[in-house]
Amino acid sequence: DSGVTQTPKHLITATGQRVTLRCSPRSGDLSVYWYQQSLDQGLQFLIQYYNGEERAKGNILERFSAQQFPDLHSELNLSSLELGDSALYFCASSVGENYGYTFGSGTRLTVV
Amino acid sequence: AQKVTQAQTEISVVEKEDVTLDCVYETRDTTYYLFWYKQPPSGELVFLIRRNSFDEQNEISGRYSWNFQKSTSSFNFTITASQVVDSAVYFCALSEAKNNDMRFGAGTRLTVKP
Repeated sequence: DSGVTQTPKHLITATGQRVTLRCSPRSGDLSVYWYQQSLDQGLQFLIQYYNGEERAKGNILERFSAQQFPDLHSELNLSSLELGDSALYFCASSVGENYGYTFGSGTRLTVV
Repeated sequence: AQKVTQAQTEISVVEKEDVTLDCVYETRDTTYYLFWYKQPPSGELVFLIRRNSFDEQNEISGRYSWNFQKSTSSFNFTITASQVVDSAVYFCALSEAKNNDMRFGAGTRLTVKP
C-alpha cells in the first residue's frame, strides 16, 4: 500500500456521461497530481494542486476539471466522456514540489 | 518545455544478464530533477530514485545503479544480474524547478526471461 488511495479502481461508463475520480494523498503530503496513462499517449500530466490551490496545468481537456479540498483529498471530474478518454488515471502525492511522487494504484476508466 | 526520450521501447534479457535502460532529457532550466519509476504488471508506479541537476554522483542501490551525465543529458539506469521480478515498464521523468509538472518518457518495457 503506497499510502495514496484512489477510488474507484475500475469504472465503466457510456459516452456522454460524467464521472468523478477520487484521491486521498499520503498522510502529510500537500501536493496532489493527476496523470492520464493511455496506450498511445503514455503518461500525461493533467494538473497539480498544492494545499488546495491549483499550481500547474498540463494537457487537461476543458471537459475535465479537478479540485483539492480542505482535507487535501482531490477529485478529478470528467464530463461529456468520449471513447478516447478510456485510460488509466493516476493520482500522486508528494511532500513538496520536485520531490519523488507516490502514486496510487490508479482508476481504470472504460468508456463504451 | 522539458522533454524525456527513452529510445528503447522494449528490451528482453535472460535472467542474470546486466541491462541498461537509456534516458536522454532536454531542458533549458539549470535546476531540474530526474526520476526513475517502475511499473510492474500490477500497474502501480513505484518511485525508484530522484536526482537533482547539481548532483552528478552516480548512485548504487543493491542491483540498481544510475549514471547521470550532464554533458550528454543522460540519466541511464542499469540493473545488474537481472531477475524475473525486474520485468516491468520503467519510466524516466524530468521536473524543472520552475515548473510543477513532471514529464515522463514513453517508458521501456523490460522482460527478464528465466
